[in-house]
Order: sequence, then C-alpha cells, then structure tokens
Amino acid sequence: SAVISQKPSRDICQRGTSLTIQCQVDSQVTMMFWYRQQPGQSLTLIATANQGSEATYESGFVIDKFPISRPNLTFSTLTVSNMSPEDSSIYLCSLNTRGLRFDEQFFGPGTRLTVL
Amino acid sequence: GENVEQHPSTLSVQEGDSAVIKCTYSDSASNYFPWYKQELGKRPQLIIDIRSNVGEKKDQRIAVTLNKTAKHFSLHITETQPEDSAVYFCAAHNAGNMLTFGGGTRLMVKP
Repeated sequence: SAVISQKPSRDICQRGTSLTIQCQVDSQVTMMFWYRQQPGQSLTLIATANQGSEATYESGFVIDKFPISRPNLTFSTLTVSNMSPEDSSIYLCSLNTRGLRFDEQFFGPGTRLTVL
Repeated sequence: GENVEQHPSTLSVQEGDSAVIKCTYSDSASNYFPWYKQELGKRPQLIIDIRSNVGEKKDQRIAVTLNKTAKHFSLHITETQPEDSAVYFCAAHNAGNMLTFGGGTRLMVKP
C-alpha cells in the first residue's frame, strides 16, 4: 500500500487563525479524501480532493471554511480557516490507491488540532 | 444518503472469548463494506472487507458476514487477545464512491 504522510502531526492554534495541513503520498493516486474525527467520535468525510478542479464538499462543510488544494496526484492540502474551539479534531487524509470504485481506502497518520 | 448504524458502542470480553460487532446500512446500492481498527492515538487500519457478491469472508481469527437482503453485516473476532482492544469502525461504500462510517465500537479484552 502507499506511504502517506501528513504535516503537521499536531498543532495548538489560537481562535481566529488558520492552519494548512499537508498530505503527501509516495505514489500517484486517483482519489484523495479529507476526514474529520472529533474527540471520541467516528470519521466524517469533509470533501473529496479532485486533481485539477474544485473539491467536492459534503453536507455541512463549505469551501470558505475548509479550502482544499490538489495540485497533482501525490499531494493535497486542507486549510481550516478562522478556527474556533469547535474545530478541535483530528484531520485525516485518505486515499484510494488503485483508482477503482469500491476499493480499499487507506488513511494518513492524522493531524491533531487543538484550538484555544 | 447512506446511514450506517453500529452496535454495541462498547464491548467488554474476557480473553479467549469471541466478540461480535454488528452494523446496518440504509442504501441498498452500497456494495463494499470495510472494517477498520483504530488503536489509541493511531490512524484507522483496514483489517478486513467484504463485497456484496459474497456472504462471508474469513482471515485467521477475524471473519465478516454480509446479509444484503437485511442490509446488515457483522465482524466476528474469535479467541480474543488483549491486543485486539481498540475501537472498531464499520463502513459502507455507496454509489457516490464515498465511505460512510458507523459510530464505532470500543472493544476491551480483559486478560
């Protein structure tokens, strides 16, 4: 399976600021996703990062709050904008390595964000 | 959209006993059902999956069953060991090419 890295691994941020999270993969992948995992909760899909076009956001998530970039098939960024304490979560990138529908998804190590 | 319910939310078993976690889904078009194990502070790891063209799949001590008619699937862990202690998530993959996760089950295996 692909090797996935995320930066930063954790951060503590002040209310009102923004943080950009990077996801790097060691091979080209077709589909990349961003998830949020609030403390003690399940995983919720934020958006699908599309290469060369705008991300596809799930209900409850908007581009102004969570802008996403995907300049190529190995890299994506998620920005958490104008943060509030409610944004404290683990943010994980995920990918589908074979480019097939209904195939396995693998997760990055996550970024643990605390907003004060 | 898809809705996945998972039960129980917590499960405590004695080492060596079996553990069963059950999930139901709502979208009859879903046809791929993975299970993830998440240890404390770690990323979710895919442990087993099943596709809709089979009813059961086994990998050593872990097995998954699927009943498409009833829209439910289950994870079975036999001969549990303390290292099986973790949070387990089921998920369903729908026609929109997205995974919807269940709420998770915290499994505790007591030595």
